[in-house]
Amino acid sequence: DIQMTQSPSLLSASVGDRVTLNCKASQNINKNLNWYQQKLGEAPKLLIYYTNNLQTGIPSRFSGSGSGTDYTLTISSLQPEDVATYYCYQYNSGYTFGAGTKLELK
Amino acid sequence: EVQLQESGPGLVKPSQSLSLTCSVTGYSITSNYWGWIRKFPGNKMEWMGYISYSGSTSYNPSLKSRISITRDTSKNQFFLQLNSVTTEDTATYYCARGITIAVWGQGVMVTVSS
Repeated sequence: DIQMTQSPSLLSASVGDRVTLNCKASQNINKNLNWYQQKLGEAPKLLIYYTNNLQTGIPSRFSGSGSGTDYTLTISSLQPEDVATYYCYQYNSGYTFGAGTKLELK
Repeated sequence: EVQLQESGPGLVKPSQSLSLTCSVTGYSITSNYWGWIRKFPGNKMEWMGYISYSGSTSYNPSLKSRISITRDTSKNQFFLQLNSVTTEDTATYYCARGITIAVWGQGVMVTVSS
């Protein structure tokens, strides 16, 4: 099974900050990775698919990058509505989620 | 616009079966893949399995002996059955579209308790 390790588990940042969330796979996942945002009481929402493709309707301050085993979600300028838990998800071999990064405002 | 809606009992007794329905509107389940994911208290997410456009299935090996995903194409619904549940199956259950999980239902909370 491929394990997905997200870091940090908790991130505190200020409005306007550039924020970076990390996801590391236990083996090469060939960019077969998505990022989701989940706000309290809501369903997860797809932000980024196949590592760096912005889902329709998602603000351009969100971006993704990576290759091999290491992947990153970046928020270029944090907004109050970005407070949520973020999950990475690999579908290269089996299907596995990371444990999530909880993003809060400082 | 595709929409998914889960339904089913919110409370199941230990050793019994958990049965959920996902009703899909705006898209035929004879296209694409349709799956179930659950989120445990504490936020861990687990992919449970899917049923394909052709009716073939794939399951998480950790659940393989207990899980069944079926469908009714005439009603555009698919179903989850999880047998022999324990308190560790307490979670919010989501249905979703696609192997890449582009669209999710709102989720239904299921508690396993006597």
